[in-house]
Amino acid sequence: SQTIHQWPATLVQPVGSPLSLECTVEGTSNPNLYWYRQAAGRGLQLLFYSVGIGQISSEVPQNLSASRPQDRQFILSSKKLLLSDSGFYLCAWRAKGDTEAFFGQGTRLTVV
Amino acid sequence: AQRVTQPEKLLSVFKGAPVELKCNYSYSGSPELFWYVQYSRQRLQLLLRHISRESIKGFTADLNKGETSFHLKKPFAQEEDSAMYYCAPPPGGYSTLTFGKGTMLLVSP
Repeated sequence: SQTIHQWPATLVQPVGSPLSLECTVEGTSNPNLYWYRQAAGRGLQLLFYSVGIGQISSEVPQNLSASRPQDRQFILSSKKLLLSDSGFYLCAWRAKGDTEAFFGQGTRLTVV
Repeated sequence: AQRVTQPEKLLSVFKGAPVELKCNYSYSGSPELFWYVQYSRQRLQLLLRHISRESIKGFTADLNKGETSFHLKKPFAQEEDSAMYYCAPPPGGYSTLTFGKGTMLLVSP
């Protein structure tokens, strides 16, 4: 069966420090991968998505970037965190040709 | 662009009361729509999809093309229904996957 792992679960980082959140999928190949930020009152905001290795599309310009170095690995990064980067980040995958998305447990990021 | 609107951020009802979570869509083409749910401390997951016309955990959602709506309904709310609910359009032409802003449902005893 397919599973999605996202880590860490919680993270506290100082302003100006770098960020790396990792997401991996098991049990499937060539998935579409997604990064979202979930904020109260703003819903589920799509940040990046990828349809293949090295292919990244950005939905919202901001202080974050994403990379897909391997087929089932999706990384969310920042060189210098801002206070406004605090939030709950979700990774998801979807099989090509299917419509259902599967989500990770999420990472609670607090920038202090 | 395929877009859905959830007008209510919060819906608070008493146990046993009927529930209707609103979702309106504003795009042309086949309106295949979805409802996702996130219970406390659990992953966001698919609740039901329009095309299957099923009832999950007592919830149903009927597509109304005249009103361009896909409201989620349950005749008698339970406390365990308290969760965040997201309406979603089908994946976009460039494989984007977007959601409405979500409605928090609180069911009080």
